[in-house]
Order: sequence, then C-alpha cells, then structure tokens
Amino acid sequence: EDKVVQSPLSLVVHEGDTVTLNCSYEVTNFRSLLWYKQEKKAPTFLFMLTSSGIEKKSGRLSSILDKKELFSILNITATQTGDSAVYLCAVGRGSTLGRLYFGRGTQLTVWP
Amino acid sequence: DTGVSQDPRHKITKRGQNVTFRCDPISEHNRLYWYRQTLGQGPEFLTYFQNEAQLEKSRLLSDRFSAERPKGSFSTLEIQRTEQGDSAMYLCASSLPIGGPNTEAFFGQGTRLTVV
Repeated sequence: EDKVVQSPLSLVVHEGDTVTLNCSYEVTNFRSLLWYKQEKKAPTFLFMLTSSGIEKKSGRLSSILDKKELFSILNITATQTGDSAVYLCAVGRGSTLGRLYFGRGTQLTVWP
Repeated sequence: DTGVSQDPRHKITKRGQNVTFRCDPISEHNRLYWYRQTLGQGPEFLTYFQNEAQLEKSRLLSDRFSAERPKGSFSTLEIQRTEQGDSAMYLCASSLPIGGPNTEAFFGQGTRLTVV
C-alpha cells in the first residue's frame, strides 16, 4: 500500500530556531514529491522535487529529495511566528497522474 | 483573483439532505482535483478530471458522491443523503497538464461541510 509518513507530527520552537521536517514515502512508480504549507485553509505550494540531491531554496526554506532512501526534508532557518502552520508532504505517481498522496502533516508552532 | 475559487466556503446541513459544491479552477489549468480533509489528517484524494473527462475516482467516492465538469471549466461535487461522517473540508485543486515544467497543484480555500 502506498504511504507517506511525516515526522514529527508536532513541533514547537522559538523564533530564530532552525527546524527540519521529515517525509518518507513508499510509493510505486514515484514521479514527484511536493511540499505545501497549510494555514487554516488552503494548502499553498512550496516546492516540487523530482531529482535526488538537488536542493530547492526559497528564502529561509529549503528542501531536498533522496530517491534512494525514499525521503525528503524541509528546512526552515531563522523561524518566525508567521511560519506557524501545518506542513504537508505529498507524492505523485507516474501511473496515477492526477492523484497526490499526502502525509498527515507536521504542525509547526513558532513562539515569539 | 486568479486562483482556484470554491463556493460556498461553509455549509451546514441536516443529515439526509443533499449538498452541492462548486469549484472554479485557474483558467488555463485543464486538470481539476477534489480532495477531502478531516481534522489532523492530510487531504485524501476523491477524484480528478482532465478537461471534462473524469479519469480517476477513489474508493472513498461512494455512490452518494458525484462530480461533474461538464464543459471542462468549473466543476461541481454533489453529496446525496449526507451523513455525519461526511463532515470535512472539501478541497479543490487544479494544475497544468503533466509533462510540463510547472505541474504542481494549486488549491482553493475549501468548503467546510458540517452535517448535523
């Protein structure tokens, strides 16, 4: 059965800390891995990763994929209270073109 | 606003009633998806369309659920004879065709359904 597992499920840090969120997957015919940020409502797109070892970066956020070990990490440096959200990892398969398989998410809380 | 638009944003209904939700995707996106999300869980896939064709349906989509995209633009999701277990956030997303460089799905704000 295809699955996407995120850890930790919950994380509380103080502003300025650096956090690493983990996503491991067991999906046949892997095509891509995506990270989304969800604050109360719509998930908003962060990164899409298709190749191993190539870091994607956007400001204080960065992500990398390891297709051999079947995992990805999302790093957030110098966290701010506005980073508080649920971070969702999703995997797309080549054989089921429309569907994304989501993990349960990591609830990140950043205290001032 | 050129993002994915969903209507209504909230719906409270009595058990046994029918409800219909609408999704307007980003205009140049030919792929449209419906997901359902309950508290503490990630979104679960329901169904997806490429243009007007419904290409995939999840086991979660029971006979009481039906989705349409008649002209390949907006889509509707209908739930008949609602049950309390249908209470959830219903998310719509759209994307460009697979194979291009930018194929990530963009989500709407969701419709929160409460069945009482």
